[in-house]
Amino acid sequence: GENVEQHPSTLSVQEGDSAVIKCTYSDSASNYFPWYKQELGKRPQLIIDIRSNVGEKKDQRIAVTLNKTAKHFSLHITETQPEDSAVYFCAASSTGRRALTFGSGTRLQVQP
Amino acid sequence: NAGVTQTPKFRVLKTGQSMTLLCAQDMNHEYMYWYRQDPGMGLRLIHYSVGEGTTAKGEVPDGYNVSRLKKQNFLLGLESAAPSQTSVYFCASSYSMGTDTQYFGPGTRLTVL
Repeated sequence: GENVEQHPSTLSVQEGDSAVIKCTYSDSASNYFPWYKQELGKRPQLIIDIRSNVGEKKDQRIAVTLNKTAKHFSLHITETQPEDSAVYFCAASSTGRRALTFGSGTRLQVQP
Repeated sequence: NAGVTQTPKFRVLKTGQSMTLLCAQDMNHEYMYWYRQDPGMGLRLIHYSVGEGTTAKGEVPDGYNVSRLKKQNFLLGLESAAPSQTSVYFCASSYSMGTDTQYFGPGTRLTVL
């Protein structure tokens, strides 16, 4: 089955800096890579996703890149703000697979 | 439109007790999932359902049972709770299979003493 590894487990940045979280996956058939954000005590919510037919996707201060050859994908947050502080989860799946496989999460702390 | 709801929000059990967690969604989604979340281990899939009347095992199914008698509801049961089942449980639903957005419920914090 699919295995998703996520690094780092914790990340502390100064407000205004950029943050990068990286994930690797094992199944070359995976073609869907979402990122979820979970604020303290809240439910995970989708913030951005990418499919294997594109290499990069942006949404304001958030971007995701995908390298299918190396089987890794990354979340980039620019101009970080205190409200970006949360746990971020990457995940992977493929057409026909019935569930997502999640990474172990990255706790991002943005220092004011 | 409430989305995905879970009942109860908190529960404390003694070892050996049983309980049922209820998940409900009003988005007419076919797929529903139960996850557990433990520190440093992310979200691990317990069981899932691809439609009314169907269920399947996920990554960590032992000690849990599920039922999906109605499309909008997905129940997670613990027949004989163990301290290792202390966790936060999330239900999620999606319109179609693994490549669709999953919508999560607010979670149930379960402590087994």
